[in-house]
Order: sequence, then C-alpha cells, then structure tokens
Amino acid sequence: DTGVSQDPRHKITKRGQNVTFRCDPISEHNRLYWYRQTLGQGPEFLTYFQNEAQLEKSRLLSDRFSAERPKGSFSTLEIQRTEQGDSAMYLCASSFNGELSNQPQHFGDGTRLSIL
Amino acid sequence: QKEVEQDPGPLSVPEGAIVSLNCTYSNSAFQYFMWYRQYSRKGPELLMYTYSSGNKEDGRFTAQVDKSSKYISLFIRDSQPSDSATYLCAVRGDSSYKLIFGSGTRLLVRP
Repeated sequence: DTGVSQDPRHKITKRGQNVTFRCDPISEHNRLYWYRQTLGQGPEFLTYFQNEAQLEKSRLLSDRFSAERPKGSFSTLEIQRTEQGDSAMYLCASSFNGELSNQPQHFGDGTRLSIL
Repeated sequence: QKEVEQDPGPLSVPEGAIVSLNCTYSNSAFQYFMWYRQYSRKGPELLMYTYSSGNKEDGRFTAQVDKSSKYISLFIRDSQPSDSATYLCAVRGDSSYKLIFGSGTRLLVRP
C-alpha cells in the first residue's frame, strides 16, 4: 500500500494558463475524490468518481474545471484559463466502498497551485 | 452558518497534557464522523473514523460523538510535541460520499 500519490507537488503558472494535475489512488480503491483547500480552511469537496463514472460535482467546480478517471484508476483534474482565485492546495483522496464495506477516505499530499 | 464549526485555535499545551478538540455540526443527517491530522504542506491523515454515536479509542486518541447535541470531540492523552499539527473534523451523511470539513484547530504541544 503506497498511499495516494499526486503529481506535481507544486505548480506555479501565470494567470490564464491551463494546468493539469494527476492523482493515483490506493490500489483497488474504487472511489476517488478531489478537494480544494485554501489557507486556514478545511478541504472543500469538488467531485468524486466511482470507478470511471463521475457521480457528484460541487457547485465550486466551474466550467473551467474538468476531471476525468478514464480507466477507473488514476484521475486528472484540469483547470483552464486559471485565475488568481484558483490558487489553493488540490487534494485527492480514495476509498473502497462496496455493499458491505464503507471505508474512510485517505488523502494524498496534494498539489499546491500558485497563480502569478 | 457553516455546516461544521471548529475553533481555529491555536491551542497551546505543555507536553503530557490531555488535549480536547471539538466540533459542532448542524445537520442531524450526518452519520459518519472523522478526525484527520494535517501537518504543514502535507495532506490530511486519518486518525479516527466512527459511525453514529459513541466512543472509539485508538492508542492515545479517543473520539466521541454525541448526536443528540451534534457535538464531536477528539481527546489526545499524554500529548507529544510531534502531535503539533492542525486537526480537522469531518462529517458525511448516508446519501453522499462527500466529506464536509471544519476549518481545523491548530495545536501546539510545547516541550
């Protein structure tokens, strides 16, 4: 069990650029979640997948944000036309949830996005 | 009003003290309750995971859930300087898998 892995750890970009983050969940976890955390706040839910299906999206996820999990394994989160307000830590979590199992979410160390 | 309220601290205690961290929540539909620890520039690390009311103990950590008053607590016994971190409470209901977090309490354990 290598834990949830996120790449890159830190991304610095200019306003207006597109950025993409990658998350590799814990092996065999069927659910994958994205959260955003700003300084001094708790993480805020963005979206989650069960296998490759995106089942819930927050209103925080504007049209500039898109997430995919094409083969039910790793996931990508893309932000288009970045804005200053997108500066935050983007956290990925995963869990295994089945009919008889409801396991907690385990988080990666996040990607810190800084918009210049 | 936020769905989960948590005192931001900071809370400063001497090494060896018993620490009490608390959250209140507004929605009685929440059924799952979690405590995460987060060190600077790291992701949240799961400490405790409980379902419905009651107590759960794991080593130096005890989690309590009182659904009647919508109040959740984390107690840390024999606190250590390595416990210095931000502690986040989180809740979720049965119908959604999204976690709703408090804003976190910063804890400092002085040697």
